[in-house]
Amino acid sequence: SAVISQKPSRDICQRGTSLTIQCQVDSQVTMMFWYRQQPGQSLTLIATANQGSEATYESGFVIDKFPISRPNLTFSTLTVSNLSPEDSSIYLCSASTSSYNSPLHFGNGTRLTVT
Amino acid sequence: EDQVTQSPEALRLQEGESSSLNCSYTVSGLRGLFWYRQDPGKGPEFLFTLYSAGEEKEKERLKATLTKKESFLHITAPKPEDSATYLCAVQAGNFGNEKLTFGTGTRLTIIP
Repeated sequence: SAVISQKPSRDICQRGTSLTIQCQVDSQVTMMFWYRQQPGQSLTLIATANQGSEATYESGFVIDKFPISRPNLTFSTLTVSNLSPEDSSIYLCSASTSSYNSPLHFGNGTRLTVT
Repeated sequence: EDQVTQSPEALRLQEGESSSLNCSYTVSGLRGLFWYRQDPGKGPEFLFTLYSAGEEKEKERLKATLTKKESFLHITAPKPEDSATYLCAVQAGNFGNEKLTFGTGTRLTIIP
């Protein structure tokens, strides 16, 4: 199974600034996703990171707020822009191979606190 | 819209006391139901995938089962190291749509 590394593991940011989270997979994967996990809530999909093209965003998430890059098959970044306290959450990168119904594997997440 | 509901929200068991966690779902075209374990400060760790009603899978003290409406995660003679949040997720729709819809999880505590 793919090993997924995320950094930073945690950060405290000022309101109005931005944070870029990096996700590195140890093997080539077809699908990469970014999820948000707010305290006491389930994981919510932000977007699918598409290699070589614009990310596909879920309802309620927009590119201006959550720009995503995926320059190759093993790396992606998520930026959370114009931070507000409501953005305080855990952000998780996940990936899967192209095998039918292959499970998603997750990184350990980035815990973001906005002050 | 796909929906996943897990119960109970939290469960405290004595070591060795067996129990079950429930995951009920409403989806159009279930392709797979996934169970994950999440420890504090970590990402979800994959446990099982179930594809069709009647299927069962086991791993150590855990057994997952699937019906057309719900899945159960049975925990037999649990140990303190089984304490974690257990997440259920569904994958539905056409091949190529790989995203998962998660439930809110069951926080399991095993008391020595």
